[in-house]
Amino acid sequence: GQSLEQPSEVTAVEGAIVQINCTYQTSGFYGLSWYQQHDGGAPTFLSYNALDGLEETGRFSSFLSRSDSYGYLLLQELQMKDSASYFCAVRDRDNAGNMLTFGGGTRLMVKP
Amino acid sequence: NAGVMQNPRHLVRRRGQEARLRCSPMKGHSHVYWYRQLPEEGLKFMVYLQKENIIDESGMPKERFSAEFPKEGPSILRIQQVVRGDSAAYFCASSPVNLRASSGNTIYFGEGSWLTVV
Repeated sequence: GQSLEQPSEVTAVEGAIVQINCTYQTSGFYGLSWYQQHDGGAPTFLSYNALDGLEETGRFSSFLSRSDSYGYLLLQELQMKDSASYFCAVRDRDNAGNMLTFGGGTRLMVKP
Repeated sequence: NAGVMQNPRHLVRRRGQEARLRCSPMKGHSHVYWYRQLPEEGLKFMVYLQKENIIDESGMPKERFSAEFPKEGPSILRIQQVVRGDSAAYFCASSPVNLRASSGNTIYFGEGSWLTVV
């Protein structure tokens, strides 16, 4: 089966940079995704890495190292609205069910 | 283009009653996934369906839970004889194609149905 580890909570101040790490264990691997979820809201897709390296989308970037089974989400120029939970997710290539498996989520609190 | 639509948004049931949660996928999407989220926890996969087919139900509890995605109409997650432990947010997601065939992992979530069992 699959398992993903990410910190449960991170606190940062407005304007700062924060990195949320994710390590995973899967029997196969076909990409690492990141989702954002505000309290009471739906998870929304942020980014996807299939290959090693950094993907940048505005203030958010995501990194993947397949050899280390590790990735991170980098949030720059933090804003109060970035306070939310962030989930990493993997799709196991061998997973006949074809679904995404999510980590437990990292709750980010942005302070003024 | 409407997103994934779930209803009801909030549902209160007494122990022993039935809960029915409905999900209409995004237009053009034929793959539906149901996830459960307990308070302060992550999203746990329950079931993956295509029209008239259950593809993977490895995350569904063996008893009281069932899901369907009929040829016409929304997907339905049904919980019979609810217990307090069923209180959670139930999220539906959809994708346009089989994720195996796509180059990305993107699935699109609805706003969720919050079930409270009293």
